[in-house]
Amino acid sequence: EVQLLQSGGNLMQPGGSLRLSCAASGFTFNNYAMSWVRQTPGKGLEWVSAISGSGNTKLYADSVKGRFTVSRDNSKNALFLQMDSLRPDDTAMYYCAKDPREYASGWYGPFYFDYWGQGALVTVSS
Amino acid sequence: QFMLTQSPSASASLGASVTLTCTLTGGPTTYAIAWHQQQPQKGPRYLMTISSDGIQNKGDGIPDRFSGSSSGAERSLTISSLQSEDEADYYCQTWGTGTWVFGAGTKLTVL
Repeated sequence: EVQLLQSGGNLMQPGGSLRLSCAASGFTFNNYAMSWVRQTPGKGLEWVSAISGSGNTKLYADSVKGRFTVSRDNSKNALFLQMDSLRPDDTAMYYCAKDPREYASGWYGPFYFDYWGQGALVTVSS
Repeated sequence: QFMLTQSPSASASLGASVTLTCTLTGGPTTYAIAWHQQQPQKGPRYLMTISSDGIQNKGDGIPDRFSGSSSGAERSLTISSLQSEDEADYYCQTWGTGTWVFGAGTKLTVL
């Protein structure tokens, strides 16, 4: 059974840093690209970042480029999102999500998500 | 600007059927889409993809009560024999533009 278990959400001050984690199980983690998607009441679901199975390709939405860093530890089946220079408009529920295509290497562009984490709430406020 | 357009809300009675629609606007009408269900206080759950010719690919464990169809720019999700647990938000998503695009979601109320 595929599971994505998230941790790391918190209340942060503007300018602060936070790292989100997503622990994966039930599939060969290093063979799948992963993404982070956030959700706010006002803007709905918004893709944030993606990383290839090998970790060699990383993509970011313009809204977080230069501030957020995605990474993965395939030896520990874990996905991370390092969030720096946090702003109030980063306030959202953050989800990790799995790409359904199994590729040992390479990047094959956007696709849909076949599994999602339970979410981690990040609130940025002074 | 390319968008996925969804009605904000829908309602239907317990045991009845309901069809939710996602319309591709401002761009090609040939993209496949995915439907995701989000029950209250939970993460989204993948339901199915629907191609432009109506071919569906369901997620693991999705009941037969959930089906999809396609007509022109519309990609529809039909839920039959509505149950209380179907009360949720439903989002469509596409990727054909070269990035990930989500609709704003439809809130389904089961009466």
